[in-house]
Amino acid sequence: DTAVSQTPKYLVTQMGNDKSIKCEQNLGHDTMYWYKQDSKKFLKIMFSYNNKELIINETVPNRFSPKSPDKAHLNLHINSLELGDSAVYFCASSQGVSGAYNEQFFGPGTRLTVL
Amino acid sequence: GQNIDQPTEMTATEGAIVQINCTYQTSGFNGLFWYQQHAGEAPTFLSYNVLDGLEEKGRFSSFLSRSKGYSYLLLKELQMKDSASYLCAVVDSNYQLIWGAGTKLIIKP
Repeated sequence: DTAVSQTPKYLVTQMGNDKSIKCEQNLGHDTMYWYKQDSKKFLKIMFSYNNKELIINETVPNRFSPKSPDKAHLNLHINSLELGDSAVYFCASSQGVSGAYNEQFFGPGTRLTVL
Repeated sequence: GQNIDQPTEMTATEGAIVQINCTYQTSGFNGLFWYQQHAGEAPTFLSYNVLDGLEEKGRFSSFLSRSKGYSYLLLKELQMKDSASYLCAVVDSNYQLIWGAGTKLIIKP
């Protein structure tokens, strides 16, 4: 059984388009995250949701909006895509917040390419 | 500002031992994680340290010194499959996870 799943795995689109990436976890975790990993392989936290409430919102453009219909899902919607949005986006989940011994479980990643 | 430093790349020989260092300067400290990430794959958890000392888990060990803002990951009996990036991440006082840029480890036969 897949613990954290993301769809699609690859996404190629044109500048200016709007796209969504879906994430689901079946671990019963309370917190889910979205990360962006650029070509330099640096993982940058974008958002996290704890019990359907946004608890971290890093300085990302407001073109990016997380949507959590329930605690098992955290989708990422991106408006007006730009070339610089090209990266691998990882979804992750953990039990509780990133505190005492709460390892994060990552999804397989979505490679977004904006042309 | 918050900062985590790791070497960008290291090379080691199959069967040998390698130590990957991580130094950090963060606002508060609530633990340090090491993750492994193979090329094209997701990061996977290796270890968590919150107290000073060495935590051993099979071929991998992780060490922490909070007073020095320093950790290392020790990999013994290296295997080709250990070729990957190793990411150090620190939990700060706000329980946010601050990630290093990762160390790419290349294993040669």
